[in-house]
Amino acid sequence: VQLLESGGGLVQPGGSLRLSCAGSAFRFSSYALSWVRQAPGKGLEWVATISAGTDTTNYAVSVKGRFTISRDNSRNTLYLQMNALRADDTAVYYCATSPQYYDTLTGYYSFYFDYWGRGTLVTVSS
Amino acid sequence: NFMLTQPHSVSESPGKTVTISCTRSSGSIASNYVQWYQQRPGSSPITVIYENNHRLSGVPDRFSGSVDTSSNSASLTISGLKTEDEADYYCQSYDSNYQRVFGGGTKLTVL
Repeated sequence: VQLLESGGGLVQPGGSLRLSCAGSAFRFSSYALSWVRQAPGKGLEWVATISAGTDTTNYAVSVKGRFTISRDNSRNTLYLQMNALRADDTAVYYCATSPQYYDTLTGYYSFYFDYWGRGTLVTVSS
Repeated sequence: NFMLTQPHSVSESPGKTVTISCTRSSGSIASNYVQWYQQRPGSSPITVIYENNHRLSGVPDRFSGSVDTSSNSASLTISGLKTEDEADYYCQSYDSNYQRVFGGGTKLTVL
């Protein structure tokens, strides 16, 4: 599994940016995918997930209404459209494959991240 | 929602065993699976444990995960410590709205 993020950079507060994540060496369309970010010197924060088949999306409260996750399976690419950016959105953004399923034997849902990209840095500053 | 609390840092000597805890603030730790991620300095995270105690392919069996309902916590245990294990470790679970929750991370020093 290989994931390569791109599209990061410097943007002013209130601005927009679109991140991309190109996947290779796996069946891209079969995997749910996520964005996870890490502010400088801070911990990991989940941002959003998109399902494999139905394109169902799920967002962290901190980005809901401002960010949109999408995918183009024909291009093996995941996207994150970020609008109304704020200084606290400054972070390295990672994409990751994200198994999510209901295990009928155990009765548990499973939501985790298994393979990660190298990340792309987004800096929101004037 | 709930929080996952980890110790800020732990340290241990090479060859020894270390355990990192992850305590859930409300609700049972056994309600949802817990995962563990390793992040070496300057690198992206890698997954070491998923669904409480399963190692991702390629992860050495020196790494193990467990859940303890009496302390409402999950633990990552690393035995036979190596200098290459020095990293930040994060636990992760999810809530009833499928929001993924990370712990604050633990810095492991192997000295």
